[in-house]
Amino acid sequence: ETVLTQSPGTLSLSPGETATLSCRASQSVTTNLAWYRHKPGQAPRLLIYGASFRPTGIPDRFSGSGSGTDFTLTISRLEPEDFAVYYCQQYGRSPFTFGPGTKVDIK
Amino acid sequence: QVQLQESGPGVVKPSETLSLICSVSGYSITSGYSWGWIRQPPGKGLECIGSVYRSESESYYNPSLKSRATISVDMSKNQISLKLTSVTASDTAVYYCVRRGRYDSSGYYDQWGRGTLVTVSS
Repeated sequence: ETVLTQSPGTLSLSPGETATLSCRASQSVTTNLAWYRHKPGQAPRLLIYGASFRPTGIPDRFSGSGSGTDFTLTISRLEPEDFAVYYCQQYGRSPFTFGPGTKVDIK
Repeated sequence: QVQLQESGPGVVKPSETLSLICSVSGYSITSGYSWGWIRQPPGKGLECIGSVYRSESESYYNPSLKSRATISVDMSKNQISLKLTSVTASDTAVYYCVRRGRYDSSGYYDQWGRGTLVTVSS
């Protein structure tokens, strides 16, 4: 199966700063990669699909890039609701798999 | 607005069958998407269990579950169900109901429930 590695494990930042999260796949998934934000007790929310596309309703503070094995999620101007755990997920190869997550917490 | 709500027993005994229901509101499950389940054991990562489009004839399951999982859709009730047989402590997890595109090229999950914790314990 395709293993996803996320870095860093934890990112400590202040509101208004920019977060840069990395996701690396053990083999190419082309651009079949999604990002999610998960706050405790809430449903995870899709932020990015197709490596760089935002669903309707996701603000442009969230941007995704990359292809093949290396991907990045950038969150500009961090807001209070952005302090959460972020997961990447690949759907380029079966079985679909998730990364272990990056926690963005308040510095 | 699409909403997914999981329900079921919070505790299941080892070797028994885990059964969960997902009630969908705001969208008809007959319309163009696949529906499935993802789980997250305490302190561990997310794992795709499987998904189904309209009927079990068009379904996908994670091979890691070794044929223990069955996902069904009840179109009359707009519900999705999960049955997981022969459970062990390693099946203890938060179980999420999810929606995804029908085809692998749209295999991301655009709708999630809040999840329900199921503990396997005697």
